[in-house]
Amino acid sequence: DARVTQTPRHKVTEMGQEVTMRCQPILGHNTVFWYRQTMMQGLELLAYFRNRAPLDDSGMPKDRFSAEMPDATLATLKIQPSEPRDSAVYFCASGFGQATEAFFGQGTRLTVV
Amino acid sequence: AQSVTQLGSHVSVSEGALVLLRCNYSSSVPPYLFWYVQYPNQGLQLLLKYTSAATLVKGINGFEAEFKKSETSFHLTKPSAHMSDAAEYFCAVSGGGTSGTYKYIFGTGTRLKVLA
Repeated sequence: DARVTQTPRHKVTEMGQEVTMRCQPILGHNTVFWYRQTMMQGLELLAYFRNRAPLDDSGMPKDRFSAEMPDATLATLKIQPSEPRDSAVYFCASGFGQATEAFFGQGTRLTVV
Repeated sequence: AQSVTQLGSHVSVSEGALVLLRCNYSSSVPPYLFWYVQYPNQGLQLLLKYTSAATLVKGINGFEAEFKKSETSFHLTKPSAHMSDAAEYFCAVSGGGTSGTYKYIFGTGTRLKVLA
C-alpha cells in the first residue's frame, strides 16, 4: 500500500531550536509539496520540487525555512531558528501529474513553546 | 492563475439530509479539480476528481460533484448525510506551476457538522 510517510508525527520544541521534518514520497512520484496548515491561514503551499529540483519556495519565510530533496526518497523541511508562530501542522504530499491527485502524508504537528 | 473559493466555512446538516458544499474555481485553462476530506488528526484523502471526462464525477462514500463550466463551479453533494461524514472538506485545483509544472491550490475548507 503506497503512502507518503512523514516523521516525526509530533514535535514540541523550544523557541530558537532547529526543527527538521522528513518526508518519504511515494516511489515514482516526480513532484513533492510541503504545505502548512493553521486555523487562521488554512493550507498554505510552502515549497515544491519536481524531479528533486526546487521549483517554487515563495511561500516560505526565507530567513528561517529551508527545503531540500537530498535524494528521490527523502524530502526535508528545516526551520532554524524556530518561533512560536511556526506552530502548525506541516504536510508533505507527492504526485506525478496535474491530472492526478496529490497524495498526502499524515502530517507533523509542530509546537514551538 | 488558478484559484478556488469555498463558500461557507461551516455547514450543518441533519443526519439523512442532503449535503451540499460549494466550490467555485478560477482558471485560464481547463482545470483539473479535486475534493479532499480531512478527518481530525489525519492527512487529506481524495474524495473525487474531475479531469475533463464526465462532468458528473462519483467518488467514495457516496459523494459526487458536478463540473459546470458556465458557472465555474464544482459543488460537492451527497444525498443523505451520515454521522461519519463530519469532517473538513477541501476543494482544490491543479495547474499554475512554472513552465509546464503544476501545483495544487486549495480552498479554505468547509467544516461539515452532522446533527443527529
